[in-house]
Amino acid sequence: DTGVSQDPRHKITKRGQNVTFRCDPISEHNRLYWYRQTLGQGPEFLTYFQNEAQLEKSRLLSDRFSAERPKGSFSTLEIQRTEQGDSAMYLCASSPRMTGGLEQYFGPGTRLTVT
Amino acid sequence: DQQVKQNSPSLSVQEGRISILNCDYTNSMFDYFLWYKKYPAEGPTFLISISSIKDKNEDGRFTVFLNKSAKHLSLHIVPSQPGDSAVYFCAGNNYGQNFVFGPGTRLSVLP
Repeated sequence: DTGVSQDPRHKITKRGQNVTFRCDPISEHNRLYWYRQTLGQGPEFLTYFQNEAQLEKSRLLSDRFSAERPKGSFSTLEIQRTEQGDSAMYLCASSPRMTGGLEQYFGPGTRLTVT
Repeated sequence: DQQVKQNSPSLSVQEGRISILNCDYTNSMFDYFLWYKKYPAEGPTFLISISSIKDKNEDGRFTVFLNKSAKHLSLHIVPSQPGDSAVYFCAGNNYGQNFVFGPGTRLSVLP
């Protein structure tokens, strides 16, 4: 399977704990995006990378959130001191060069539940 | 402020009939629109797109219509099939900036 993969698929954590999610994009896609989706809403943009550079961050991305893409391949999204409001589906998408981000391929998501 | 609205949370259609999913947007700077389809436990998958220089784009059973003056687009599925049952998201893009998604419409195609 050469699609976008995300790990873990589900995460249950207690409030105040730190969590880290991983995204493996489609090979050779230079752009990688993170979105958050809550019940009844569409995906909301969080941040994106072009290669290893983080080019844009949404105001939704509080200082408890940090994302990295150290070698321009996989990416991690860390949430520190989780809160119940962080419970959501976290989606990753990648986009091939030359499309300017207009073609985005989504992974299956990581569902986070903060208790 | 929701820039992309899908005012019908759900829609039921008989198999073989036409499904029409609607989307309204407020940002006049949007120049590119997409529709994504999402099945449970999967990520959204791209369905069809349209540039603001066009008013119609067709791909098999799927056609998207864009009315810029009304800031409205619609997705037509003809004929509808049970496998089309999913949540459909409309998204707008502003000159290469990031997509803004609507809340989605759940389509149920009844056999």
